[in-house]
Amino acid sequence: DAKTTQPPSMDCAEGRAANLPCNHSTISGNEYVYWYRQIHSQGPQYIIHGLKNNETNEMASLIITEDRKSSTLILPHATLRDTAVYYCIVRAHPYSGGYQKVTFGIGTKLQVIP
Amino acid sequence: NAGVTQTPKFQVLKTGQSMTLQCAQDMNHEYMSWYRQDPGMGLRLIHYSVGAGITDQGEVPNGYNVSRSTTEDFPLRLLSAAPSQTSVYFCASSSGRAKNIQYFGAGTRLSVL
Repeated sequence: DAKTTQPPSMDCAEGRAANLPCNHSTISGNEYVYWYRQIHSQGPQYIIHGLKNNETNEMASLIITEDRKSSTLILPHATLRDTAVYYCIVRAHPYSGGYQKVTFGIGTKLQVIP
Repeated sequence: NAGVTQTPKFQVLKTGQSMTLQCAQDMNHEYMSWYRQDPGMGLRLIHYSVGAGITDQGEVPNGYNVSRSTTEDFPLRLLSAAPSQTSVYFCASSSGRAKNIQYFGAGTRLSVL
């Protein structure tokens, strides 16, 4: 799997958009970008994933650059409950049929400030 | 829908004791994994399974055994606990039929004295 680089920490004011960047310059053509988050002491939780097009769901939006070397997770209106560690992960095609080992790095610790 | 259930939530062991961390999922996922999480180190893969009767080692397998006799259950065994195994353990399940999204349990916090 491609290596990812994320800032170790970020702050965001409550109600504002939180933009979490991820660099994955060695991503290959069949690799998807996944985002998970881990709220204090809980198990990681899936947020969103995408290949090359921008994706949106009820939790967040994912913007992937045209060259696919970086992406941004956007939480449109951050709340205090969004305070968590956010992990950006790159892995092979989700429909490949085989098990894929997932590497969770340090992630970005997002602190939402009242 | 329970998802992934881990028991116990907390455990304290003495060095040399053995124990089994339980993990069960009710989503009929073929893949299951065990991770450990230590401060400042993210999650590291211990063992994983791609189906009943099939297991393999991850990044940090030493000191741990696993087996998978059913699709639902994937227990993690510590044969002789060591202080270095003090950690938070997470079990996860996923399916290639479901976008390979991993679903995690709530974790087991283990202290080895």
